[in-house]
Amino acid sequence: DAGVIQSPRHEVTEMGQEVTLRCKPISGHNSLFWYRQTMMRGLELLIYFNNNVPIDDSGMPEDRFSAKMPNASFSTLKIQPSEPRDSAVYFCASSSRPGGTSVNTQYFGPGTRLTVL
Amino acid sequence: AQKITQTQPGMFVQEKEAVTLDCTYDTSDQSYGLFWYKQPSSGEMIFLIYQGSYDEQNATEGRYSLNFQKARKSANLVISASQLGDSAMYFCATLNFGNEKLTFGTGTRLTIIP
Repeated sequence: DAGVIQSPRHEVTEMGQEVTLRCKPISGHNSLFWYRQTMMRGLELLIYFNNNVPIDDSGMPEDRFSAKMPNASFSTLKIQPSEPRDSAVYFCASSSRPGGTSVNTQYFGPGTRLTVL
Repeated sequence: AQKITQTQPGMFVQEKEAVTLDCTYDTSDQSYGLFWYKQPSSGEMIFLIYQGSYDEQNATEGRYSLNFQKARKSANLVISASQLGDSAMYFCATLNFGNEKLTFGTGTRLTIIP
């Protein structure tokens, strides 16, 4: 089975440009998460969706960041306008929630390394 | 809020030896999950092992085991018979069942020496 798919794997852009990161979760998973990893702050949860609905976006740094999940198999994270401090690795993860006390492990995609010049 | 502490920023271990990576956590939740992830130099995050706070037995997955001490709020990862391919960053994380949020520690960089 295919894992979480992210594109692009690498993105280099100039300050002020719009950046769109894409994610395809594992088929059948109903929760999707966007994380950011930097040396200074480690791994941070930005936003997560359950059944395509944003549940918690308290980790989104500011209004320049937005995320959508138009259907169960696709999500985007957009940064507009981008700034050098947005340079990081952005991970998408997905999980299923079978119910009860069964574990809902999050499986990560390969990440998108974003560099804003 | 949950907080994870990994006190070992880096470790060097001889190949074939066992290694223990420390993790302590602070949570007020009654039920929670504990995870370990591996991040090799290629960058992906690989799920290794899970322990539920309600599980009385320590979790095991092949060469990985989780030494769970609930009263001490400790969830150390034990890797038996280490291999060169085990060289990577290792992250401990807790899961809040109520909101599905994973909180990660700062990680431990493990280097296996041939």
